[in-house]
Amino acid sequence: EPEVTQTPSHQVTQMGQEVILRCVPISNHLYFYWYRQILGQKVEFLVSFYNNEISEKSEIFDDQFSVERPDGSNFTLKIRSTKLEDSAMYFCASSDRDYGYTFGSGTRLTVV
Amino acid sequence: AQSVSQHNHHVILSEAASLELGCNYSYGGTVNLFWYVQYPGQHLQLLLKYFSGDPLVKGIKGFEAEFIKSKFSFNLRKPSVQWSDTAEYFCAVNPTGRRALTFGSGTRLQVQP
Repeated sequence: EPEVTQTPSHQVTQMGQEVILRCVPISNHLYFYWYRQILGQKVEFLVSFYNNEISEKSEIFDDQFSVERPDGSNFTLKIRSTKLEDSAMYFCASSDRDYGYTFGSGTRLTVV
Repeated sequence: AQSVSQHNHHVILSEAASLELGCNYSYGGTVNLFWYVQYPGQHLQLLLKYFSGDPLVKGIKGFEAEFIKSKFSFNLRKPSVQWSDTAEYFCAVNPTGRRALTFGSGTRLQVQP
């Protein structure tokens, strides 16, 4: 069964540093997403990406965040200057036209 | 903005017991509805989804859900749970035509052998 792959599985970074979280979506999917889950809280939508541009974003997705699809396979989330409150599990997902979302296993980001 | 409520935070059942997990949403328009499961240490997996048509939806692993529009509810059911159903269950919603999912807070199900 096709999978969404995320790397790394766990990243520790110092406050103020930039991090890039990487995802390889399912190859024939058209829509790509990032969600996050702060420990003990709900899974929250960050951003969706379609046709090489952001199609929706939440209030959480401010200027500190950016997404990119640098080649035909990777989809990345960059946090420019991490804060303690950015510590969370970040999930990548992709979907086809029929809302068939597939989620990755997540990257646990710890900001110290 | 839409919201999703899952009132059962932690449910403990014995094997073979019946399961019903509640999900209510608030949104004035038409929505797509989903149930996801997250087994310990694994990613979110789709159990079932509702877009339109028959309000009783059957999913994988013997799960089903019923959409009751008048109650803004989409409850998940399983007639007889197994130990392997121990997991966290998330209800999610998105307005028709949009892609962003709004998740509930999740229900942790523990099935005792």
